[in-house]
Amino acid sequence: LAKTTQPISMDSYEGQEVNITCSHNNIATNDYITWYQQFPSQGPRFIIQGYKTKVTNEVASLFIPADRKSSTLSLPRVSLSDTAVYYCLVGDYGQNFVFGPGTRLSVLP
Amino acid sequence: NAGVTQTPKFQVLKTGQSMTLQCAQDMNHNSMYWYRQDPGMGLRLIYYSASEGTTDKGEVPNGYNVSRLNKREFSLRLESAAPSQTSVYFCASSRGIPEAFFGQGTRLTVV
Repeated sequence: LAKTTQPISMDSYEGQEVNITCSHNNIATNDYITWYQQFPSQGPRFIIQGYKTKVTNEVASLFIPADRKSSTLSLPRVSLSDTAVYYCLVGDYGQNFVFGPGTRLSVLP
Repeated sequence: NAGVTQTPKFQVLKTGQSMTLQCAQDMNHNSMYWYRQDPGMGLRLIYYSASEGTTDKGEVPNGYNVSRLNKREFSLRLESAAPSQTSVYFCASSRGIPEAFFGQGTRLTVV
C-alpha cells in the first residue's frame, strides 16, 4: 500500500476555500485516491474518490495531477461544521483501508 | 437502512475481564473491519474479514480475536482486557476500496 503524507493541521476561516494536499509518491497504477472525513466522536465518512484529473461532488473536489504523486482535496466556502479530521487513503480494490494520522482542520468564525 | 450498527456504545471493564463487541451491517457487503482509535490518533486496523468464513490479522491484532458469524455480523472479542486496550473501536464494512461505511464506535475503558 502506498504511504501518504498530509499536513497534521490547518486553520481556516468561515467562507474560505480550503485545500488539503496529500503526497503519495509510491502510488501504484491500479491505486485509487480516497478521502474520508471524521467528526469528533463519530466514525469516518467517505467524501470523494478519484483516479486521475478532477472529480467533483456536492461536498468537495479532488484534483489529481498527471503524475498522480499527490492529490488535493478542495472544500469550497467552509463553515464551522467542516471542522474535522480529513484522511487521505491510497489503495486498490480488494486491499485494506490504511488510515494515517490525517489533517485536523479547524474552521474559525 | 441502518448501515453499520455497533453494540455496546460504551463499556467499562476491569483489567482481566472479557467482552465481545458486536457489529452488524445490512448492506450485503463482503468485507468487514475492526479498527481502534486512540485519542488524537488515526485508525489502526485490528482484524478484517474479506468474506464470510475468512478473517485476517491487521496492524494491531494482539489481545483480540474475531468471528465472522455470517455475512452480516463480525464480532471482536477481548479475552483478558488490559488498560492499553482503552480506546474507541470502530467496525466498518465495504465492497472494497474506495468506500467503507463505519459504525458509530464503541468507547471502551479498561480500569
